[in-house]
Amino acid sequence: KQEVTQIPAALSVPEGENLVLNCSFTDSAIYNLQWFRQDPGKGLTSLLLIQSSQREQTSGRLNASLDKSSGRSTLYIAASQPGDSATYLCAVSSDNSGNTPLVFGKGTRLSVIA
Amino acid sequence: EPEVTQTPSHQVTQMGQEVILRCVPISNHLYFYWYRQILGQKVEFLVSFYNNEISEKSEIFDDQFSVERPDGSNFTLKIRSTKLEDSAMYFCASSEFPGQLLAGELFFGEGSRLTVL
Repeated sequence: KQEVTQIPAALSVPEGENLVLNCSFTDSAIYNLQWFRQDPGKGLTSLLLIQSSQREQTSGRLNASLDKSSGRSTLYIAASQPGDSATYLCAVSSDNSGNTPLVFGKGTRLSVIA
Repeated sequence: EPEVTQTPSHQVTQMGQEVILRCVPISNHLYFYWYRQILGQKVEFLVSFYNNEISEKSEIFDDQFSVERPDGSNFTLKIRSTKLEDSAMYFCASSEFPGQLLAGELFFGEGSRLTVL
């Protein structure tokens, strides 16, 4: 059974700092990995989707990498801003079910202090 | 930008009552999902739906739950007789392609918060 773990659970950084959020998964046979942002009491906003054949994806100040064989992904946020404060969720779709539901980690709660 | 919309945003109900949560997926999407998130816990998969039938469901999705696409735009989740432990945020999601074929990206709605008293 696929398990997704995110470290750290919470992170507080000063504005302007570069930071890395970590995600690990137990079963390396995945189709894709998706990073989401969740603001308190709100829905999930898709940030980046990495397909299993890719090693990284970039969008603006965000860069996500995937090392499928080792079961790891990182989300790099450059020049963090207070508006980046949110919970960041990692989710993977595995290949052992007909419609590959996403398996989520518990998230990293990020606070960027002005 | 197209988005998934959900109603109601918050519903309070008494234990044992029926609840229907509604979703309007992105218009050209063919694959629909319900997930839930109990406060402080992980987002969990409930059910996926394609071509007017359930594709896959989790062990959470028992006989108390059902899904329906009553018309060309809505996708609903019904909980027949709510329990206290059904209190959660319920998220609808849609995808243009299934994960298995073309690594489809899922787009989520803002969620419906269900509180069972």
